[in-house]
Amino acid sequence: SSELTQDPAVSVALGQTVRITCQGDSLRRSYASWYQQKPGQAPVLVIYGKNNRPSGIPDRFSGSMSGSTASFTITGAQAEDEADYYCNSRDSTTNNVFFGGGTKLTVL
Amino acid sequence: QLQLQESGPGLVRPSETLSLTCSVSGGSIRSNSYFWGWIRQPPGKGLEWIGTVYHSGTTFYNPSLKSRVTISVDTSKNQLSLMLTSVTAADSSVYYCARQFPVVAALGNWFDPWGQGTLVTVSS
Repeated sequence: SSELTQDPAVSVALGQTVRITCQGDSLRRSYASWYQQKPGQAPVLVIYGKNNRPSGIPDRFSGSMSGSTASFTITGAQAEDEADYYCNSRDSTTNNVFFGGGTKLTVL
Repeated sequence: QLQLQESGPGLVRPSETLSLTCSVSGGSIRSNSYFWGWIRQPPGKGLEWIGTVYHSGTTFYNPSLKSRVTISVDTSKNQLSLMLTSVTAADSSVYYCARQFPVVAALGNWFDPWGQGTLVTVSS
């Protein structure tokens, strides 16, 4: 299967580190990207490629890959990081694109 | 700075065709360096890829929607379009267009930037 699986919800204490994971076969052959979405807003790209951040994205955000699992880490979570986070990849053979189901991050 | 803006009817009757346009400003739709994608999000739910188009007209569609979807580009207007036929209530969503990288799939996939999205409701 090329679907991407994420935990539905994760919580973190203010200032602590949190990791959100994404699993799927397509990740064995392709990097994941990650998006932050706040209520009523369009998704915003926060991590792409091996571990790249678009301009304006805080450096407390990082990404990594291991086998069929991609991870998104926030080091020192802030209140404004509370949002839904989605992973994304593409099957390099078919060009089909997949999104994870999303993880709702709560900052306590 | 590249900007995308979706437009189209906010209400579509069941069994009819949903048609949306995405206008691209601040850059050319003709670049060889990226694709253009449509993504949707039902209220309160996750993101679903609909399809992708290259400026040449080459397309890739979500297999679950392929029989009902057509995506096209109009390079003279710097626009891309989405048509979804035989809609039902399950097609009610916020529809987004976005620039899609990269052309080489082995490098991964990412969408940036996104349009603000447009809500389409399917109802009689």
